[in-house]
Amino acid sequence: EIVLTQSPGTLSLSPEERATLSCRASQSVSSNYLAWYQQKPGQAPRLLIYAASNRATGIPDRFSGSGSGTDFTLTISRLEPEDFAVYYCHYYGSSTYSFGLGTKVEI
Amino acid sequence: QVHLVQSGVEVKKPGASVRISCKTSGYTFTNFYMHWLRQAPGQGLEWMGIINPNAGGTRYAHKFQGRVTMTRDTSTSTVYMELSSLRSEDTAMYYCAREMASFDYWGQGTLVTVSS
Repeated sequence: EIVLTQSPGTLSLSPEERATLSCRASQSVSSNYLAWYQQKPGQAPRLLIYAASNRATGIPDRFSGSGSGTDFTLTISRLEPEDFAVYYCHYYGSSTYSFGLGTKVEI
Repeated sequence: QVHLVQSGVEVKKPGASVRISCKTSGYTFTNFYMHWLRQAPGQGLEWMGIINPNAGGTRYAHKFQGRVTMTRDTSTSTVYMELSSLRSEDTAMYYCAREMASFDYWGQGTLVTVSS
């Protein structure tokens, strides 16, 4: 089973700052199957990034994903007030579906 | 426009079963696998299983095998998830999600509370 470790657990930033979120896999994985989601309180997760670096439909270009092997990163270039939320990385390859525990981006 | 609409809040006693529906619209139902996931209060996301709406085939997470059953009704474009032998640890928000480059569309969630 692929274990995804996200860091930091909480990121305290201000609007307009840059956020860098990390996701480390317990073994090398295909970047074709690494996704990032945003979740706000009381809402379902929303897909931001798939295949490590592809923005989902309607996602602003301030969100970007990168990485390969075991290390992946979600970057929010300039935080908007609506970006304060929990972010999860997700591996969906080899018929396994693993999630990290999330990074909370707070003001 | 794609929509996944789940059934409403459920309150169950330990040992009971719960069945949640997820009605889809806006796309060809049989073309996309559907998944069920859950999220306990304040916790992360947990994958429960997958169903192929076309053939009806299923695969469940090891943790839930023997307790979960996923079915579909192609006439109404609806998938169902039934979880039996409920215990307090099953209290969670349950989501259906469509598979397309990971999970591109999600239902709004169904809160299941298990309490005596």
